[in-house]
Amino acid sequence: GQSLEQPSEVTAVEGAIVQINCTYQTSGFYGLSWYQQHDGGAPTFLSYNGLDGLEETGRFSSFLSRSDSYGYLLLQELQMKDSASYFCAVSEPGNTPLVFGKGTRLSVIA
Amino acid sequence: DAGVTQSPTHLIKTRGQQVTLRCSPKSGHDTVSWYQQALGQGPQFIFQYYEEEERQRGNFPDRFSGHQFPNYSSELNVNALLLGDSALYLCASSLRTGGSPYYGYTFGSGTRLTVV
Repeated sequence: GQSLEQPSEVTAVEGAIVQINCTYQTSGFYGLSWYQQHDGGAPTFLSYNGLDGLEETGRFSSFLSRSDSYGYLLLQELQMKDSASYFCAVSEPGNTPLVFGKGTRLSVIA
Repeated sequence: DAGVTQSPTHLIKTRGQQVTLRCSPKSGHDTVSWYQQALGQGPQFIFQYYEEEERQRGNFPDRFSGHQFPNYSSELNVNALLLGDSALYLCASSLRTGGSPYYGYTFGSGTRLTVV
């Protein structure tokens, strides 16, 4: 089976940088994705890593180390609107469904 | 916009009843996956439909069933509702290509089901 571990809650100050970690255990691995979900809203795709290294998309970056079964999401220049839950999700080879972690609730404070 | 549409948005049912939730995928997508999300938890995979067949199934009882129509829309049916079935039910659509990673899911806003 698969398991993903991420912190349940993180609090950071507006304008700061925050890193949300994710470790995973899967029988097969294809890539690691990150999704953002505001309260009452739909999860929205943020970033994907299929290879080791850093992917940057605006204020958000995501990193993957396949050898360590570890990844993180980095949010820079935090804004109040970034307060949401963030989920890492793994995909395995073949047309298998995404498996999500339990999520990290980020609170951005002034 | 041709995003994922789910209906209804909210639903209250009595224990033992049956419910049907509906999903229209994003334009151009052919695969629909259903997830159950309990409060404060991550989405849990229920099943996935492609070409009108159930292709993958998560660890959910047979009370959960589904269907996909020729226009790619999908339904999720839950029979003999239990209090524990209260959750947000999310539909995600994607385009199925051989070997492609499922990072391009588009989610609907979900149906909030409350069982009383």
